[in-house]
Amino acid sequence: KAGVTQTPRYLIKTRGQQVTLSCSPISGHRSVSWYQQTPGQGLQFLFEYFSETQRNKGNFPGRFSGRQFSNSRSEMNVSTLELGDSALYLCASSWIPGTSGGAKNIQYFGAGTRLSVL
Amino acid sequence: GESVGLHLPTLSVQEGDNSIINCAYSNSASDYFIWYKQESGKGPQFIIDIRSNMDKRQGQRVTVLLNKTVKHLSLQIAATQPGDSAVYFCAEKIGNNRLAFGKGNQVVVIP
Repeated sequence: KAGVTQTPRYLIKTRGQQVTLSCSPISGHRSVSWYQQTPGQGLQFLFEYFSETQRNKGNFPGRFSGRQFSNSRSEMNVSTLELGDSALYLCASSWIPGTSGGAKNIQYFGAGTRLSVL
Repeated sequence: GESVGLHLPTLSVQEGDNSIINCAYSNSASDYFIWYKQESGKGPQFIIDIRSNMDKRQGQRVTVLLNKTVKHLSLQIAATQPGDSAVYFCAEKIGNNRLAFGKGNQVVVIP
């Protein structure tokens, strides 16, 4: 079974631009979560989508948004990029239906998209 | 991992020795915890998890201990190998399928 796939792996943008990152979850997984990883702040939760609905949202400004499609693939968008948005953006998928603990809760991560804002 | 520029606590361990990585969590109501390993250029990789109704869980060469009284988790790696060199993160589940991660610990295995 293929793992979580994130595209592109690397992106270079300039301040003020916008960017869209893509995530394909593990087949059958219905929940997709996004995290931002920086040296200073570590791994921080952005948002989570399940069945095309945002269920959780972290403490990030409205410039960060996302969506999920009917096939569970997800995209996140960052508008009006700032230098501080430079980070590794990680996507994780998990299997939620009938959640009662165990392996169904585990979030599996992709390799991430490295975004550099110049 | 993504530790460039960040001074992470570092554990240097001789190959073949046991490693212990510690983590404090913040939310006494958290009922699920996970340890992840992140190698350079890769995303976090699941190692082992534990629910709050347990205080110990063992996997292959790894053991997680949970002390709810002091809100402390530890990860023990037996017979540490060069491939175990990585940054290790503990995470607690807060709310619905949302993880809060610790800052990470760098493990360096000395051959």
